[in-house]
Formats: sequence, structure tokens, C-alpha cells
Amino acid sequence: DTVLTQTPLSSPVTLGQPASISCRSSQSLIYSDGNTYLNWLHQRPGQPPRLLIYKISNRFSGVPDRFSGSGAGTDFTLKISRVEAEDVGVYYCMQATHLPYTFGQGTKLEIK
Amino acid sequence: EVRLVESGGGLVKPGGSLRLSCVASGLTFTNAWMSWVRQAPGKGLEWVGRIKSKTDGETAESAAPVQGRFTISRDDSKNTLFLDMNSLKAEDTAIYYCTTESFSWGQGTPVTVSS
Repeated sequence: DTVLTQTPLSSPVTLGQPASISCRSSQSLIYSDGNTYLNWLHQRPGQPPRLLIYKISNRFSGVPDRFSGSGAGTDFTLKISRVEAEDVGVYYCMQATHLPYTFGQGTKLEIK
Repeated sequence: EVRLVESGGGLVKPGGSLRLSCVASGLTFTNAWMSWVRQAPGKGLEWVGRIKSKTDGETAESAAPVQGRFTISRDDSKNTLFLDMNSLKAEDTAIYYCTTESFSWGQGTPVTVSS
């Protein structure tokens, strides 16, 4: 199975400051069609996950532009340019290139 | 707007069975690849399985921990995704979400396996 390793696992951030989460894959996530199916999800307490970023860097509908994704191959990053209070929760990277789909362990973002 | 509504969860004894349903609206369901994802209490997300659209063969794949026990199917005439769960174990206790390949998510339905 493809293992996704997120760092850090916990990130205390000051409001208005940037945050960054890394996701490293145990193998390349480039699919045979040339796409890289690496997504980022956000889950608030008691809520279902919601998609933020798909295929490395594409913001999903309604996602603020303070969220951005980057990376290639096996190394990916989610960045929040200026953290807002509503950004607290757990962030997951997820790959849909290889079966079984897998998720990172999750990174808990909290406000200092 | 895509809406996914799961149902069918509940309390079941070890070895028992349940059928989860997910009714979809706001999308062309016949073209959608659908997945089930679960989340055990206090834990992260775990992919359960996926079913392709009929056009793409309607094949289903599932994760190793549930292979041979869980079956994913769909009824495109009712815009409904199913998860048939048999031989349930305590470790299957989780909230079960249906998702359109992670783009849209339902609210989830809880499954508790306990005697």
C-alpha cells in the first residue's frame, strides 16, 4: 500500500500567520494518464471531511485562495497564507493514484 | 449542489450484518465513481472501497481489511450507493461516509459493532 506521511502532526499557529503541512508518499503518485491524484482535505470537529485541493494544486469550488497546494512525484505541501479561526481542525492528504486509496495520518491545526 | 445522504447505520452484534445506503442528488450519478470511507472513533480516515460508473465497467474494489466481508454496489435508477457489510467485527465500528471520489461527502452514518 502507498503510505502517506504527514508532518507535522500538530501545528499551533497564530492567527494571521502562515502554516504549512508536508505530505510524503512512499511511491510516486503520477498515474498512467499523467495526472497526480493527490488531494487535501479538511475536517472540523464533528463534521465530515471536505475537499480543499485536488490533483496537487487545484482549489475546489468555494475554497479561499489563502489555501494553496504544490509538489510533484512523492513530495507535496499544503500552505495557508494567513490562518483564520475557521481553519482549525485536521488536515489530511489523500492519494487516489494507487489502490487502495490511502490517507495521511492527519495534521491537527490549532490556534496558539 | 451535490448532496449525499447516508443511512442504515446502527448497533449490531459481532458477526452480524448491515446494509448502508447513500442517496445522491445534484450530480449525474450514472457517471460518478463512488467510494466509501470510514473513520473509527478518534481516528483518521480509512478508505473502504470504490465502485466505478457503469460506463467504466461498474467494477468494485475494496480495502484488505474488508475484502470478502463487505460488498459495494449501486443502483443508478435510484441514484443510490450501497455497502453490504457481513461478519462484522468490533474494529468495523466507525462513521461511514460516502463520497464522490473525495469531491463531495455525506454527513456519515455511524456503525457500532458490540455485544
